[in-house]
Amino acid sequence: DVKVTQSSRYLVKRTGEKVFLECVQDMDHENMFWYRQDPGLGLRLIYFSYDVKMKEKGDIPEGYSVSREKKERFSLILESASTNQTSMYLCASSNRDRNYRPSYEQYFGPGTRLTVT
Amino acid sequence: GESVGLHLPTLSVQEGDNSIINCAYSNSASDYFIWYKQESGKGPQFIIDIRSNMDKRQGQRVTVLLNKTVKHLSLQIAATQPGDSAVYFCAESKYGYALNFGKGTSLLVTP
Repeated sequence: DVKVTQSSRYLVKRTGEKVFLECVQDMDHENMFWYRQDPGLGLRLIYFSYDVKMKEKGDIPEGYSVSREKKERFSLILESASTNQTSMYLCASSNRDRNYRPSYEQYFGPGTRLTVT
Repeated sequence: GESVGLHLPTLSVQEGDNSIINCAYSNSASDYFIWYKQESGKGPQFIIDIRSNMDKRQGQRVTVLLNKTVKHLSLQIAATQPGDSAVYFCAESKYGYALNFGKGTSLLVTP
């Protein structure tokens, strides 16, 4: 089974702090994603990565950055946390299909609920 | 801009009945659609997918129907069970093999 793990289930940080959210997948997947989930808004894509050291902006990248130094690990960074970044953060990964095309089927971690006070 | 929306935010069904969860999409260029299930305290879990060149796809107790004419997607769950209680999201393909998610429908199965 694919396993996607996130470093913390719950996190409380203060406004202005630098926050690191870590995500690790154990199935050698090429693609990794960061979403935030807010009530009534569904999942919104923050950043994604096709490969090591590659990153692409999603729909709401402002206030975030990412790092992918190793294939299995994708980190989300809040440079200076603000209260409007209080949310559930979900990491996902996906692989390539049998024809070596990227797959849309994404596997999700359990999420990190971040509260910024 | 494009959006993926759901007709109803909540749905309550009796155990044993069939459930139908609907989803409207607006991006006619999307070629792939997925349904996810999210149980409380967990990340979304893949249920079933369908490509735009198909109208129907069946899985175990689930069926997804795609109507490209009216840009409508539905998930049918047969003989709904208490374990089916969850939030269901439809998602459509977008750039970079990412997904655009809808806002979710909460399914509550009552005994």
